Amino acid sequence: QSVLTQPPSVSAAPGQKVTISCSGSSSNVGNDFVSWYQQLPGTAPKLLIYDNNKRPSGIPDRFSGSKSGTSATLGITGLQTGDEADYYCGTWDSRLSAYVFGTGTKVTV
Amino acid sequence: EVHLVESGGDWVQPGGSLRLSCAASGFTFSTHWMTWVRQAPGKGLEWVANINDDGRQKQYVDSVKGRFTISRDNAKNSFYLQMNTLRDEDTAVYYCGRALRGVDTWGQGTLVTVSS
Repeated sequence: QSVLTQPPSVSAAPGQKVTISCSGSSSNVGNDFVSWYQQLPGTAPKLLIYDNNKRPSGIPDRFSGSKSGTSATLGITGLQTGDEADYYCGTWDSRLSAYVFGTGTKVTV
Repeated sequence: EVHLVESGGDWVQPGGSLRLSCAASGFTFSTHWMTWVRQAPGKGLEWVANINDDGRQKQYVDSVKGRFTISRDNAKNSFYLQMNTLRDEDTAVYYCGRALRGVDTWGQGTLVTVSS
């Protein structure tokens, strides 16, 4: 089981906003940068956010990230049907000496 | 364009071995850490192993330590995952990735099925 906890699912209507939490501890979220990944059905994951709040080239500004203490949050505004996917947080855990992913959140629009 | 392509996935019996390969292109392979991540059917992502740019540093998730070995060949722009003593619970899609900013580039995945 993952050391990073996310809600199993979130949903909202098209055009609305959702937030996804990622709860960890002082050895992971509280100690290193957090990344977020989007996995569309049947495809490989894609990096969405890195260094807590930075977007790679090509990722729209509808996606945002933040971190406070041992929790991180992904926000998606202006929801589109194409945003329906599984979303995962990830970071390095210094106690486990391992990269850890969150439990994953399914977004339904 | 940065590109990663896995190969080597197959069906294997418990206790068997398999070697996965990942071919990289579009970037200076020899200067980057690389990683393997897996996803069991219907489950979430699980990090498996990392290797540093010159191949001297290797890190593994506890569940594969002593059974899996990550390696690389910078002359071939490729890295590998040698999987021995495979178990049913190793059944998953295995993704190779570039370990930058987390995992900034992913391959398409290769399926490993461990079953009798």
